[in-house]
Amino acid sequence: SQQGEEDPQALSIQEGENATMNCSYKTSINNLQWYRQNSGRGLVHLILIRSNEREKHSGRLRVTLDTSKKSSSLLITASRAADTASYFCATETSGSRLTFGEGTQLTVNP
Amino acid sequence: DADVTQTPRNRITKTGKRIMLECSQTKGHDRMYWYRQDPGLGLRLIYYSFDVKDINKGEISDGYSVSRQAQAKFSLSLESAIPNQTALYFCATSASGTFAYEQYFGPGTRLTVT
Repeated sequence: SQQGEEDPQALSIQEGENATMNCSYKTSINNLQWYRQNSGRGLVHLILIRSNEREKHSGRLRVTLDTSKKSSSLLITASRAADTASYFCATETSGSRLTFGEGTQLTVNP
Repeated sequence: DADVTQTPRNRITKTGKRIMLECSQTKGHDRMYWYRQDPGLGLRLIYYSFDVKDINKGEISDGYSVSRQAQAKFSLSLESAIPNQTALYFCATSASGTFAYEQYFGPGTRLTVT
């Protein structure tokens, strides 16, 4: 099974609401990254959080990491229709490679 | 101009044909990767290269081969394409270091094998 697994698989919210996506993983990591993918396009890096960090912010994004529970969450505040995309977590496994989860499809309705 | 480019962007080919997907980057990164994405799924690593003389298999390398022609170029070949290789293929690059850094992705190649 995937090293990183996102939850929920799909999320539909109204513009202005907050969106929270979760990622769980199985093995120890050096860092965890979140990416965004607009339909059929390449992934875009959003944020990287290291294993010794608990929380990180970037604009309207907030990422938390709980290494004891092997989980991370991505919060998008005050969502916009333009935030509609798939969001993937990626964990660094052995050999400095990333393993991607299956993603959360976020739909923000205007 | 885009930092990571892929050619072709779309390709339809027949079963048994050999096909090459090309990736070029202007970011000056040593590390390059090839992934495939199937509908509704995440990315799976096919091959990766940490420098020009380094080639490594990923989790799904069977049926694929790669060539790192230069620091900036990394090609993926399907020696004899089969329908279940129909997917979206992405090239990515990253800086070198002790750990995995952020990856920069190309726009993708949509490959259909009939």
